[in-house]
Amino acid sequence: KAGVTQTPRYLIKTRGQQVTLSCSPISGHRSVSWYQQTPGQGLQFLFEYFSETQRNKGNFPGRFSGRQFSNSRSEMNVSTLELGDSALYLCASSAPQGGPTSYEQYFGPGTRLTVT
Amino acid sequence: AQKVTQAQTEISVVEKEDVTLDCVYETRDTTYYLFWYKQPPSGELVFLIRRNSFDEQNEISGRYSWNFQKSTSSFNFTITASQVVDSAVYFCALSGERGSQGNLIFGKGTKLSVKP
Repeated sequence: KAGVTQTPRYLIKTRGQQVTLSCSPISGHRSVSWYQQTPGQGLQFLFEYFSETQRNKGNFPGRFSGRQFSNSRSEMNVSTLELGDSALYLCASSAPQGGPTSYEQYFGPGTRLTVT
Repeated sequence: AQKVTQAQTEISVVEKEDVTLDCVYETRDTTYYLFWYKQPPSGELVFLIRRNSFDEQNEISGRYSWNFQKSTSSFNFTITASQVVDSAVYFCALSGERGSQGNLIFGKGTKLSVKP
């Protein structure tokens, strides 16, 4: 089975611009979560999508948004970029709840966003 | 509030030494899940283990072993006979029953360096 894929892998943007990151989960996984990783704050949960609905949201400003499509692929968008948004953005997918591997999240390689 | 503490920021050992990575967690949930992930320099988080709160059996997988003690809210990870390839950042994470499967609370990570 193919793993979680994220595109693009690297991105450089200027302050004030917006950016869209994409994530394709493992086949059969319907839950997709997004995390931001920075040296200072570590790994922080952004949001989770399940069956095209946002199920959970972390403590991030409204500039951070996401969505999920019917094929479970997900995108996250950051508008009005700030220097502090520079980070590694990780996407993870997990199998349906109740199964033997539920709650296990499998991560993609991440998108490294640099804001200048 | 849920919290994961990894007190060891960095550990350096020589190959073949045993090393234990500590993890202490806080949660009010009665049912929860604990995880360990490995993040090599490539950046991708690699799932190592999931442990349910109602199963305190220790687990061994090759050179890896995990010691879960509910009484002390700890979930420690031991690598026996460490190898250079074990060099990575290791994260302990907690998922709450109420938080849904998609919301992992991560510790700050422990950077392990294994020298030849």
